[in-house]
Amino acid sequence: DGGITQSPKYLFRKEGQNVTLSCEQNLNHDAMYWYRQDPGQGLRLIYYSQIVNDFQKGDIAEGYSVSREKKESFPLTVTSAQKNPTAFYLCASSVNTGFHEQYFGPGTRLTVT
Amino acid sequence: RKEVEQDPGPFNVPEGATVAFNCTYSNSASQSFFWYRQDCRKEPKLLMSVYSSGNEDGRFTAQLNRASQYISLLIRDSKLSDSATYLCVVMVRSNDYKLSFGAGTTVTVRA
Repeated sequence: DGGITQSPKYLFRKEGQNVTLSCEQNLNHDAMYWYRQDPGQGLRLIYYSQIVNDFQKGDIAEGYSVSREKKESFPLTVTSAQKNPTAFYLCASSVNTGFHEQYFGPGTRLTVT
Repeated sequence: RKEVEQDPGPFNVPEGATVAFNCTYSNSASQSFFWYRQDCRKEPKLLMSVYSSGNEDGRFTAQLNRASQYISLLIRDSKLSDSATYLCVVMVRSNDYKLSFGAGTTVTVRA
């Protein structure tokens, strides 16, 4: 089945630790995205990538880093510099950045204490 | 001002009822408009695009009013399975295409 997978579903970390969230897609999509969702707020774009080995900052990139070494994979690292890392993180992909329909993975709920 | 604003609800309606809600957007250069559906603690999924002339998809009708900068979603003959949060999404092109998401309107359909 084609789709997007994210792991793990739930993640707990201590403050000060970096953590990497996994996102893999087998839809052969060029574009991939990372969003965070907080209660009462819309999804906010962290980073996006249009093509392998290229990525762009979104609206809230501070404290995050990404890589795009393979078309299928777009991992997100939440660093200790992110002030409020506890959130629901959603990875998405689309055919390209000009194509509006984005397919989302099931998300990772990160809790940092 | 938020780029996309929605009434959070919740809209509590009985099965079979009609429910409608709006979303306003601030950027007059917005090009495309969509409704996504998000079930509790799940990922969003595209429900339907919104076309200038308005469009229907089964029991769902979407309308766009560019002059007043809002879009609407109407659900007829509500089913229990329609209970979800509906996200208003707007596409703007600046340096690249960007989707802006509203915080969502929650609909609860009761038996």
